[in-house]
Amino acid sequence: GQNIDQPTEMTATEGAIVQINCTYQTSGFNGLFWYQQHAGEAPTFLSYNVLDGLEEKGRFSSFLSRSKGYSYLLLKELQMKDSASYLCAVIDSNYQLIWGAGTKLIIKP
Amino acid sequence: GAVVSQHPSRVICKSGTSVKIECRSLDFQATTMFWYRQFPKQSLMLMATSNEGSKATYEQGVEKDKFLINHASLTLSTLTVTSAHPEDSSFYICSARGAKGFSYEQYFGPGTRLTVT
Repeated sequence: GQNIDQPTEMTATEGAIVQINCTYQTSGFNGLFWYQQHAGEAPTFLSYNVLDGLEEKGRFSSFLSRSKGYSYLLLKELQMKDSASYLCAVIDSNYQLIWGAGTKLIIKP
Repeated sequence: GAVVSQHPSRVICKSGTSVKIECRSLDFQATTMFWYRQFPKQSLMLMATSNEGSKATYEQGVEKDKFLINHASLTLSTLTVTSAHPEDSSFYICSARGAKGFSYEQYFGPGTRLTVT
């Protein structure tokens, strides 16, 4: 079967750095997305990785290791508005998007 | 760019009635549209995938006669919840995929919160 694992919940302090991990076992791989979803709202795109390595975009960075079936989302200089759920999603060999359950990130002052 | 709208944003209906939700891609042609359902504190659950001009493909466990999907054009898909019951109350989100952005990236609508009383 296909499986994507993320921690259910994480807590971090405003101004700090947090890393949200995602591991996957899917039938094939054609890329990995990270989305942010605030409560009661639809997901919004954060990043896309298809090659190994780190992609940096402002305060957010995303890393991928295809051989390890592993990705992480790194958030720096955390702000209160970063409190949200972060969803990892993988495109499988059938070009279907397989969603993780999401990681709820709680930012404390 | 890549804006997807949904209408209505909120709807309350009585048990037994039907509700139609519209999903539109405003600035691109969506070859494929997806319908998701999300219960509180849970992740997205894909209900069905629809390609313009063809029948929708439903995920296992989703009743196609209850959740009618029509993808009549490259910019519009509709989801009709027929004979709604309180257990159908949920957050319904559509997304669209087209020739924009990264391959296979999905652009999400703002969602529709359905409450069945």
